[in-house]
Amino acid sequence: KAGVTQTPRYLIKTRGQQVTLSCSPISGHRSVSWYQQTPGQGLQFLFEYFSETQRNKGNFPGRFSGRQFSNSRSEMNVSTLELGDSALYLCASSGKTGTHDSPLHFGNGTRLTVT
Amino acid sequence: GESVGLHLPTLSVQEGDNSIINCAYSNSASDYFIWYKQESGKGPQFIIDIRSNMDKRQGQRVTVLLNKTVKHLSLQIAATQPGDSAVYFCAENIRQGGKLIFGQGTELSVKP
Repeated sequence: KAGVTQTPRYLIKTRGQQVTLSCSPISGHRSVSWYQQTPGQGLQFLFEYFSETQRNKGNFPGRFSGRQFSNSRSEMNVSTLELGDSALYLCASSGKTGTHDSPLHFGNGTRLTVT
Repeated sequence: GESVGLHLPTLSVQEGDNSIINCAYSNSASDYFIWYKQESGKGPQFIIDIRSNMDKRQGQRVTVLLNKTVKHLSLQIAATQPGDSAVYFCAENIRQGGKLIFGQGTELSVKP
């Protein structure tokens, strides 16, 4: 079974631009979560989608948004990029909504660099 | 606030030795815990999980221990191999929280 696939692997953007990241979950998984990973803050939860609905949201500004399609694929968007948005963005999928009894399976991430 | 912390940021062991990675969590409402391994350039890889109604769970060469009294979680790796070198994260799920809270990670270095 193929794992979680994230594209692109690397992105370089300029301050003020916007960016869209893509995630394909494991086949059959309907829950997709996004996390931001930085050396200073570690892994921080962004949001979770299940059946095209946002179920949970982390403490990030409104510039960070996401959506999920009917085939469970998900995208996240960051508008008006800031230098501090440079990070590894990780997508994870799960067979169930929430994380109370089913582990998340992560992709290898998209490395975003904002200059 | 909510946090999951690790006692040791780095751990260096000899190949063949057993490794123990520790984690402290702060929320008594947490009901599910997971250990992940992250190698350079890759995303976190699921190792083992444990629910709060258990205090020990074993996998292949790995054991997770949960002590709810002192809010402590540990990962034991038997016969550590060079391929085990990575950063290890513990993560907790707070009941009804819908997200995982990750610790800062421990870097495990295995010397041949």
